[in-house]
Amino acid sequence: AQSVTQLDSQVPVFEEAPVELRCNYSSSVSVYLFWYVQYPNQGLQLLLKYLSGSTLVKGINGFEAEFNKSQTSFHLRKPSVHISDTAEYFCAVRGSGTYKYIFGTGTRLKVLA
Amino acid sequence: SAVISQKPSRDICQRGTSLTIQCQVDSQVTMMFWYRQQPGQSLTLIATANQGSEATYESGFVIDKFPISRPNLTFSTLTVSNMSPEDSSIYLCSVEEPLGGGTDTQYFGPGTRLTVL
Repeated sequence: AQSVTQLDSQVPVFEEAPVELRCNYSSSVSVYLFWYVQYPNQGLQLLLKYLSGSTLVKGINGFEAEFNKSQTSFHLRKPSVHISDTAEYFCAVRGSGTYKYIFGTGTRLKVLA
Repeated sequence: SAVISQKPSRDICQRGTSLTIQCQVDSQVTMMFWYRQQPGQSLTLIATANQGSEATYESGFVIDKFPISRPNLTFSTLTVSNMSPEDSSIYLCSVEEPLGGGTDTQYFGPGTRLTVL
């Protein structure tokens, strides 16, 4: 079975500052990892994903994440945030050979002017 | 990626009634999923719907409460039956990459915001 932990429920950050949203997972099998963003009153949008290959994954809107197998982490980063990045961010894990996604509890990013 | 639409986008319902939510995809997909997102919470998988077979429900969800139809490769419905205020949530459908995509990624619809009074 897989599980996902998002350590920070809320992250306030000033505009143009860097941000890191943390995600740790546990699994007994190989995993695929995902970050989704949910803007207010909207559905989930895929930001980026790690399936295999390079451990540094670049996504949309300037976000990137690094898969660290030894630390079982998949932290999301952006070097300079904008007000429009204010949203809820969900990390998700899927075990290879399964179709089921396990979502973390989400991190609310609030970008301050 | 597939374009997914849901109807209705939101609704306010009385307790004891039922609501059917529709999910339409612009391409053929094998697997469709229904999730619930309770206020301030993460997503919980309700069931998986494959065309031509009965939906597979997750622990804590039953067919009598959440009947699902999957008549073809582009459409599914979820019914929330005999509603109570505890059913107030966002209901989201998602799909895998289009048939044959094989990239193991789910894409989500915009969600249906349900309030039960």
